[in-house]
Amino acid sequence: EAQVTQNPRYLITVTGKKLTVTCSQNMNHEYMSWYRQDPGLGLRQIYYSMNVEVTDKGDVPEGYKVSRKEKRNFPLILESPSPNQTSLYFCASRPRSGTSGMEYFGPGTRLTVT
Amino acid sequence: AQSVTQPDIHITVSEGASLELRCNYSYGATPYLFWYVQSPGQGLQLLLKYFSGDTLVQGIKGFEAEFKRSQSSFNLRKPSVHWSDAAEYFCAVGAYNTNAGKSTFGDGTTLTVKP
Repeated sequence: EAQVTQNPRYLITVTGKKLTVTCSQNMNHEYMSWYRQDPGLGLRQIYYSMNVEVTDKGDVPEGYKVSRKEKRNFPLILESPSPNQTSLYFCASRPRSGTSGMEYFGPGTRLTVT
Repeated sequence: AQSVTQPDIHITVSEGASLELRCNYSYGATPYLFWYVQSPGQGLQLLLKYFSGDTLVQGIKGFEAEFKRSQSSFNLRKPSVHWSDAAEYFCAVGAYNTNAGKSTFGDGTTLTVKP
């Protein structure tokens, strides 16, 4: 089954404790993205990647890091989480641009930073 | 810079009534446009997309959207709303031609369906 998986689905942590949210896709997609969703603000893109070792900032990259060492994986790293990073996070992937360029979203990770 | 505006934060319609959700975008070239739906506690599901060609696109669940370049709009419509359509709807623009990978979403419109 074609899918994007994220782990963990729920995470409660404390300020300053480094964490990683994993994202994996099994569709051989070139592009992957991370978004955060906050009430009234829709989805905002944090980082995206166009291929292995190619990443770029989205609209809200501060406080986040990503890496793309393998095509299927795109982890989101919070080196020193803060309460304002409490949010719902979505990973997404899509094939190279074209008529099939829709994004496939993971189920989301709800992060709480206390 | 690309942007998406969904002017209506919340819309309430009666079951069986028609629906139109508005979306306006700003982008320097021909955009890739999408509508997604998110049910409470769920992820996002693609309803429909526009890349080129026919400006009226059909999607799943009986939804359609019309791309109007002159108005920079991509409004979502449904002729008869069902109670199960209650959800949050997001319009998005993708800059796949030049800045491939960058996507921008609107703030969303929450749809309530009255019995």
